Order: sequence, then structure tokens, then C-alpha cells
Amino acid sequence: VQLQVSGPGLVKPSETLSLTCNVSGASFTNYFWSWIRQPAGKKLEWIGRIYTTGSTSYNPSLKSRVTMSIDTPNNQFSLRLTAVTAADTAIYYCAGSNWNLFDPWGPGIQVTVSS
Amino acid sequence: EIVLTQSPGTLSLSPGDRATLSCRASESVSSNYLAWYQQKPGQTPRLLIYGASSRATGFPDRFSGSGSGTDFTLTIIRLEPEDFAVYYCQQYGSSPPTFGQGTKVEIK
Repeated sequence: VQLQVSGPGLVKPSETLSLTCNVSGASFTNYFWSWIRQPAGKKLEWIGRIYTTGSTSYNPSLKSRVTMSIDTPNNQFSLRLTAVTAADTAIYYCAGSNWNLFDPWGPGIQVTVSS
Repeated sequence: EIVLTQSPGTLSLSPGDRATLSCRASESVSSNYLAWYQQKPGQTPRLLIYGASSRATGFPDRFSGSGSGTDFTLTIIRLEPEDFAVYYCQQYGSSPPTFGQGTKVEIK
């Protein structure tokens, strides 16, 4: 299974962060699909997950700003995080998950929030 | 949410040594749904242990997990050079799933 994240590495404060994860080599419908992030020097933080039905679950700490979507025919899923601040600067990972057990992980993308 | 605290922050050991890593939860982890991940420099985290003690595919039996409730341990016997990495614990019994801050196992 291979996951690959794409999206801008630099986002301006107050704007929207948008990332897409493309999945290959796996049965897309066999997994939940999650986003996880890690600010430098801080803990890994689960952002949320989506299933192929479109059902989502988000971390309450980010719920008001997060939207996930899924494109099953094209084996990809996406993350939108609105009203970003410097606190959203992090490495963002996409991952396949069995509910909330994460395996495999994609390579991660550094996203910096700065003007 | 459940807060996971890992100790020590850094473990300085030599190849062939035994490593003992601790993960303590702020409340009991439901069904012992506790996982460990290994992250080597420049690589993504990789699932190592799930269900507190079940080893994931591809990891040798020198890795073992134990514990229940709020106290969990990852043990690596006879450290190999490729085992020097950061190890994270994660609970997935309650939502939101949460991670510990990591223990770095470094070469002494």
C-alpha cells in the first residue's frame, strides 16, 4: 500500500489548508482513512477519519475547522482546515486505519503557516 | 481525552542492550487498545505493536509489548543498530485517539 500527500507547503494565516492523499496498492474500501499531524517538538495529533461511505469523525479540538471528503473511484481523500494560524504549522500525514489504529502511513508533508 | 505520558524521554543504550519503554495513561485504556509505533529518522511512523502485546507484521520477536489498564511497556531485547529510533504509544480505545510524546532510543 502506498499513500502520497499533495498540497501546498505554505499557507497564509486565516486561509484554508487543503491536502489530498492518493492511495495505491490497496483495496480502498477496506480501510478508514485518517489525517494526523505533528507540530515540531510536539505530540502527534489525530485530526479525523473518513470512510468510503463518506462518514466522518473529527477530533473535537479541530472539529469546527475541519472538513474531510473522499473520492472512492479515484482512490483519494482530502482534508480542508480553515482559518489556519501558526499553530497549524506541522507535518501532515495521511494514513489508512482500522478504526483508530493507523497502518500504513504516508510520507507526510510539511505545511507552514506564514505570511 | 486520554493523555499518554511516555518515559524516559531519551534512552541511551548500546547495541545488544535491553530497552524498556513506559507509557502511562491518564485513565484506563479500553480493551487494552494500546499501540506502539516506530519512527526512524526521515521515515514515517510504522505500526509495531497493537492490542498492547500483538506484534505487527515484519517485526522480529525481540520486540514485545505488555501491560494493561493504565500502564504499558515496550521491551526490546538485544538492541540491533536498526532499532535506534523514536517510539510512540497510542491509545485507540477512546475517541479521540491520542499519542504519547515519544521515547528516543539512541546509541550510547
